[in-house]
Amino acid sequence: GIQVEQSPPDLILQEGANSTLRCNFSDSVNNLQWFHQNPWGQLINLFYIPSGTKQNGRLSATTVATERYSLLYISSSQTTDSGVYFCAVGGYKLSFGAGTTVTVRA
Amino acid sequence: GAVVSQHPSWVICKSGTSVKIECRSLDFQATTMFWYRQFPKQSLMLMATSNEGSKATYEQGVEKDKFLINHASLTLSTLTVTSAHPEDSSFYICSARPPGTNTGELFFGEGSRLTVL
Repeated sequence: GIQVEQSPPDLILQEGANSTLRCNFSDSVNNLQWFHQNPWGQLINLFYIPSGTKQNGRLSATTVATERYSLLYISSSQTTDSGVYFCAVGGYKLSFGAGTTVTVRA
Repeated sequence: GAVVSQHPSWVICKSGTSVKIECRSLDFQATTMFWYRQFPKQSLMLMATSNEGSKATYEQGVEKDKFLINHASLTLSTLTVTSAHPEDSSFYICSARPPGTNTGELFFGEGSRLTVL
């Protein structure tokens, strides 16, 4: 099956800092999504981005499908941004990466 | 976005009993739903694909007799963990996508946390 690698595994930020999360995948995909898993376990949809660039407030994402990677940018981080960020790729089905645990300190 | 809901959010059961978890698409019809499992501090692993009106398809290594899936309507899929044991304790999450393309955005339920004593 398709392999999904996320980096870094852990990220500690000071409030107000910017950061970049990376997702590499091993095959071409028709679906790529970024999620934020909140402390209660719910997956919050951030972006559906099989290719191109999107922005939503302080978050933006870019997927370069030909080079098999996607980036999630968090700008001016806030403590509420803490949690686990997952990249999931595929087509009909989704395979998840191991996640990046983000901790934003006040 | 589309809404997927699960029930119950939390369930505690005794070893040897069976537990049913429901997954509903609230504002769209879903011919297919996906069931995932997540152990603490790990990623989500796809268990099975639930197909309305037909048998579910299971991922390699998932016991179909242990995890019974029924997709009886276009808005409801159920996962039954049969003869549950402590090693079945986990976070179970379902997902579905609104009608359209087969590769469109997937939406996830709130998850159901199962603890088997």
